[in-house]
Amino acid sequence: DQQVKQNSPSLSVQEGRISILNCDYTNSMFDYFLWYKKYPAEGPTFLISISSIKDKNEDGRFTVFLNKSAKHLSLHIVPSQPGDSAVYFCAAINTNAGKSTFGDGTTLTVKP
Amino acid sequence: EPEVTQTPSHQVTQMGQEVILRCVPISNHLYFYWYRQILGQKVEFLVSFYNNEISEKSEIFDDQFSVERPDGSNFTLKIRSTKLEDSAMYFCASRGPLGGNYEQYFGPGTRLTVT
Repeated sequence: DQQVKQNSPSLSVQEGRISILNCDYTNSMFDYFLWYKKYPAEGPTFLISISSIKDKNEDGRFTVFLNKSAKHLSLHIVPSQPGDSAVYFCAAINTNAGKSTFGDGTTLTVKP
Repeated sequence: EPEVTQTPSHQVTQMGQEVILRCVPISNHLYFYWYRQILGQKVEFLVSFYNNEISEKSEIFDDQFSVERPDGSNFTLKIRSTKLEDSAMYFCASRGPLGGNYEQYFGPGTRLTVT
């Protein structure tokens, strides 16, 4: 049972345009969500997070939106830059348990 | 900026041998994790560790695996008798302090190759 799903394995956008990465979850006990970015041969790097009491969190070019009723979150990157090309993982946590459950990842390619 | 470090960066071992992967978490962190990523697959949770004991483990973390925090700074993952399918990148992560945010900080990983 895959509790966190990223249905798009890859996404390609033009530099300067918006990148939208999506993530769906099934476990209603998840109450904290994170996005990580991963370059090849490196560990994941924390990008942005959102608590279930919010529906939006913004940090510079990165905005995460949470739709609790749809059990869906998305990461918007505006404007996209070639250096954003990486694998993006969403992760969900039941803060009472503490374990992060990761999605499969979406490979973002930003073309110059 | 503090970071999580892992050694070695690459470990090659023969099937059936024991390996110990080492991690130095960020010094004031209280929660420690091991994950693995088989080539081309997702990042998979193995185990979490808090207050000197395992707080949660996945079905992957069977009796062949163990974790230890031997000296208050290192956090180790031991695989007693490696199998070919243990070949993967192993990532250590830490978070804290108590009551803080939930972001985990990952190390660069150890690539384990079992031959």
